[in-house]
Amino acid sequence: ELKVEQNPLFLSMQEGKNYTIYCNYSTTSDRLYWYRQDPGKSLESLFVLLSNGAVKQEGRLMASLDTKARLSTLHITAAVHDLSATYFCAVTGISGAGSYQLTFGKGTKLSVIP
Amino acid sequence: DTAVSQTPKYLVTQMGNDKSIKCEQNLGHDTMYWYKQDSKKFLKIMFSYNNKELIINETVPNRFSPKSPDKAHLNLHINSLELGDSAVYFCASSQVTSGANVLTFGAGSRLTVL
Repeated sequence: ELKVEQNPLFLSMQEGKNYTIYCNYSTTSDRLYWYRQDPGKSLESLFVLLSNGAVKQEGRLMASLDTKARLSTLHITAAVHDLSATYFCAVTGISGAGSYQLTFGKGTKLSVIP
Repeated sequence: DTAVSQTPKYLVTQMGNDKSIKCEQNLGHDTMYWYKQDSKKFLKIMFSYNNKELIINETVPNRFSPKSPDKAHLNLHINSLELGDSAVYFCASSQVTSGANVLTFGAGSRLTVL
């Protein structure tokens, strides 16, 4: 069974600071996704990482994937209040029925304090 | 135009009742899903349909029955509601493109069982 672990689960940080959210997964996969969820809202796709060494950046967020370490990181640079949300990573398997099924981590609730 | 729409957005009902949640997508995607998000924000897949056919059916009580009349619709019917069914239910759709399976989520349906 594919397991996806995120840490930390809760993160409170000051505006202007940098931090990294980690996503570890238990079986071989080369497809990883990051989503954002604002309170009371739906999930919005942020990044899709499809190969070892993939790096994607959007504004103050940068995601990377190391398939050998089974690790993805979401790095936040100079945080601003608008980044406050819950961030989920999700992983798919590499073969077999349901190989595109996403398994989600538990989410990291980020609070950026002015 | 809303890409994935769910109704109702809120549902409050008594234990033992039967209720349905409807979902429609206008993205032309082949695959649709139901996810359950509990009070701790943990997201778990319940069902997945591809072109009206069930392809994923996780360990979900038989009281939950999905129905897909066509590939643009996936409804969820719940019989004999229990307190533990209280959660937010998200419908999603996707189309695998270049090896990526990015889900588009609906706004969610918050079910409260009293």
